[in-house]
Amino acid sequence: DVKVTQSSRYLVKRTGEKVFLECVQDMDHENMFWYRQDPGLGLRLIYFSYDVKMKEKGDIPEGYSVSREKKERFSLILESASTNQTSMYLCASSLPTGWSNQPQHFGDGTRLSIL
Amino acid sequence: AQSVTQLDSQVPVFEEAPVELRCNYSSSVSVYLFWYVQYPNQGLQLLLKYLSGSTLVKGINGFEAEFNKSQTSFHLRKPSVHISDTAEYFCALERVNSGAGSYQLTFGKGTKLSVIP
Repeated sequence: DVKVTQSSRYLVKRTGEKVFLECVQDMDHENMFWYRQDPGLGLRLIYFSYDVKMKEKGDIPEGYSVSREKKERFSLILESASTNQTSMYLCASSLPTGWSNQPQHFGDGTRLSIL
Repeated sequence: AQSVTQLDSQVPVFEEAPVELRCNYSSSVSVYLFWYVQYPNQGLQLLLKYLSGSTLVKGINGFEAEFNKSQTSFHLRKPSVHISDTAEYFCALERVNSGAGSYQLTFGKGTKLSVIP
């Protein structure tokens, strides 16, 4: 089974801090994704990466950056955390398009609170 | 641009009753369609997917969905629900041939299913 592990289930930070959310997958997937989930808004894509050192903006990239130095690890960075970034963050991974349309596999999420 | 609309934000249903969660989509190109389930304090799990072929798709836990191209719908059904089905359900689409190296999903806003004993 694919396992996507997010380093923290719950995280509390202060406004202005630099925050790192880490995600590791163990299935050698090329694609990795970061979403945020808010009540009534569903999942919105922040950034995704289809290869090491490659990244693409999703629908809501403002205030975030990402890093993918190794294939198995995809980090989400909040450069200067603000209260409107309080949310649930979900990481996912998948094989690339063309591989029998393998679905995205999700981690359990990090619930981040910015005070 | 593509979009997914889940018509009900909350659906309460009695145990052992049937349920239908509605999903409509909009896209100018062909799509693949998915239903995911999220149990409390967990990530999303794939329930089922429609890629091509038979329009009736069967998934895990007794769920099924029917793809209707003319009505641009992909409604999720279960003939008899259990307490353990209480969760949030997300409909999602991927555009066919969405680009080399990418696999982007567009999600609906979710439907919370509450099964009442």
